[in-house]
Amino acid sequence: DTAVSQTPKYLVTQMGNDKSIKCEQNLGHDTMYWYKQDSKKFLKIMFSYNNKELIINETVPNRFSPKSPDKAHLNLHINSLELGDSAVYFCASSGAGQPQHFGDGTRLSIL
Amino acid sequence: QQQVKQSPQSLIVQKGGISIINCAYENTAFDYFPWYQQFPGKGPALLIAIRPDVSEKKEGRFTISFNKSAKQFSLHIMDSQPGDSATYFCAASILGDKVIFGPGTSLSVIP
Repeated sequence: DTAVSQTPKYLVTQMGNDKSIKCEQNLGHDTMYWYKQDSKKFLKIMFSYNNKELIINETVPNRFSPKSPDKAHLNLHINSLELGDSAVYFCASSGAGQPQHFGDGTRLSIL
Repeated sequence: QQQVKQSPQSLIVQKGGISIINCAYENTAFDYFPWYQQFPGKGPALLIAIRPDVSEKKEGRFTISFNKSAKQFSLHIMDSQPGDSATYFCAASILGDKVIFGPGTSLSVIP
């Protein structure tokens, strides 16, 4: 019954590896987002998809690639992980003109 | 112009007291101002929101005051409780567009 769910909750990996984070929402929303929250808790948007189409792409290294197979799913793939990628990544979704609903985050730690 | 400023960075309030968090913005095109509450290990959750055509909105112990001419808004938590201890984010957006978050305020309510 979770509205926005992300997996995994924790991800510990070595520098240089490739990893993916999955997100699913069961709210029927058309728009989904990825945010990065750094160690100082600052929240910054990375990407936004509306009905599987990319609409926001902030200044993010192209090692990060979002993929939306359908409007209920938005996955994030990260290539060649770097130490600076350590953060909590949040998925969110919203309906038209509605506030965003967030998942509980994926804590990514790079060794 | 896209920035949202927030203060204080951290706040300690005694149980029963009033917690006040202030925010300011520059972009006059913003038309939606939500506040999010985040507990450790969880995603931000919408607490209360206001549009610029009203000067105040109250929901239970939480009140947003909005000053359009000064481009400022604030969150007041009346009768603060230990369970209110969390990080609070003000935000601003043009509804339907990306949300710009303030840097967050860590609130601790002590018994």
